[in-house]
Amino acid sequence: EDQVTQSPEALRLQEGESSSLNCSYTVSGLRGLFWYRQDPGKGPEFLFTLYSAGEEKEKERLKATLTKKESFLHITAPKPEDSATYLCAVQPTGGGNKLTFGTGTQLKVEL
Amino acid sequence: DAGITQSPRYKITETGRQVTLMCHQTWSHSYMFWYRQDLGHGLRLIYYSAAADITDKGEVPDGYVVSRSKTENFPLTLESATRSQTSVYFCASRGGGPDTQYFGPGTRLTVL
Repeated sequence: EDQVTQSPEALRLQEGESSSLNCSYTVSGLRGLFWYRQDPGKGPEFLFTLYSAGEEKEKERLKATLTKKESFLHITAPKPEDSATYLCAVQPTGGGNKLTFGTGTQLKVEL
Repeated sequence: DAGITQSPRYKITETGRQVTLMCHQTWSHSYMFWYRQDLGHGLRLIYYSAAADITDKGEVPDGYVVSRSKTENFPLTLESATRSQTSVYFCASRGGGPDTQYFGPGTRLTVL
């Protein structure tokens, strides 16, 4: 059974204090790993897709990386507007369209 | 506006009533999905559809019914609502190529 574990569950940072969120996964074969951002009362917003170990993608202050067992979402010099819940999901090879989601990391960035 | 919309955004109903949640997308995406989001469980797939008239079960399908007569619409029906179906429901879609799923704004359903 595919599993996704995200840590920490919650993270509080000061503005400008860089950090990383972790997504550990167990899947028989990985077709893709997805990162989403979710603001309160809204639907998940797509950030990145990673397909193979060693791949990296960047968007503004966010950088996602992938290894064979985990993915990291690095946040460099965060701002209060980066506060949100960050979700990780995996899609197995041959698994059709089923995404398995983690429970998310709730990030709060304070002034 | 182009994209994916859900209605209603909020719904309160009583145990035993039938409820239908609507999902509409303007991208002509082939695939559409229904998820529920509960504290401590993350997003869980209820049903999905690969095209009009093609649907399949996800992880938690019991108590739900779907249909897809048109590519752009994917309604989710709770035939006899139960309190355990109180949740936030998200619809998503994706095209036939890239794997990325795009989510709607959600429907918060409360079953009393």
